[in-house]
Amino acid sequence: EVQLVESGGGLVQPGGSLRLSCAASGFTFGTYCMTWVRQAPGKGLEWVANIDEDGSRRYYVDSVKGRFTISRDNAKNSLSLQMHSLRAEDTAVYYCARRLGGSALMDVWGQGTTVTVSS
Amino acid sequence: QSALTQPASVSGSPGQSITISCTGTSSDVGGYNYVSWYQQHPSKAPKLMIFDVTNRPSGVSNRFSGSKSGNTASLTVSGLQAEDEADYYCFSYTSSGTWVFGGGTKLTVL
Repeated sequence: EVQLVESGGGLVQPGGSLRLSCAASGFTFGTYCMTWVRQAPGKGLEWVANIDEDGSRRYYVDSVKGRFTISRDNAKNSLSLQMHSLRAEDTAVYYCARRLGGSALMDVWGQGTTVTVSS
Repeated sequence: QSALTQPASVSGSPGQSITISCTGTSSDVGGYNYVSWYQQHPSKAPKLMIFDVTNRPSGVSNRFSGSKSGNTASLTVSGLQAEDEADYYCFSYTSSGTWVFGGGTKLTVL
């Protein structure tokens, strides 16, 4: 079964750090771009970051540049999002998703992991 | 990186058709055929409905179709059914190498 499973969410104080992980199974992980998308409570979807198939290119939404780092380990079928200097506005459900390169086909999503930034 | 513009809500009766618009610029929607649409039911992960403007993934009903004219992409749902009631988001590649979602549209089936 093709599957993405996120983990690592939790409660963190403003200014703190958190590392999210996304475990992939059921497909050839290294042949897909990977994306993090977040959704603040009661709000819409927001694209956060993207990494290409071999990790050579990474892109971020302006609001997280310099604070978040997306990375992948193709040998371990794993995607990560390291988050530093967290703010209240980073509070959201974070989803990982796979995207076929050269396309807007983002067809497999995880169930999401919740990050709450609060004192 | 401004969100694409979608109507906040649309509605229709069962059996009718509705269209959701998604307006961007020549630097995103208008410049590339990399637009997709997602359906999201409450507390669920988004589901891909249309990719690359007009393509429908296997398993998605042919009642869903996509198109684009200039800087505006559209999702049409024909033969509305109760289970179509959900939030819908468009998604586009941008000239900066980044991606952007629309603000989302709540579809109500009356």
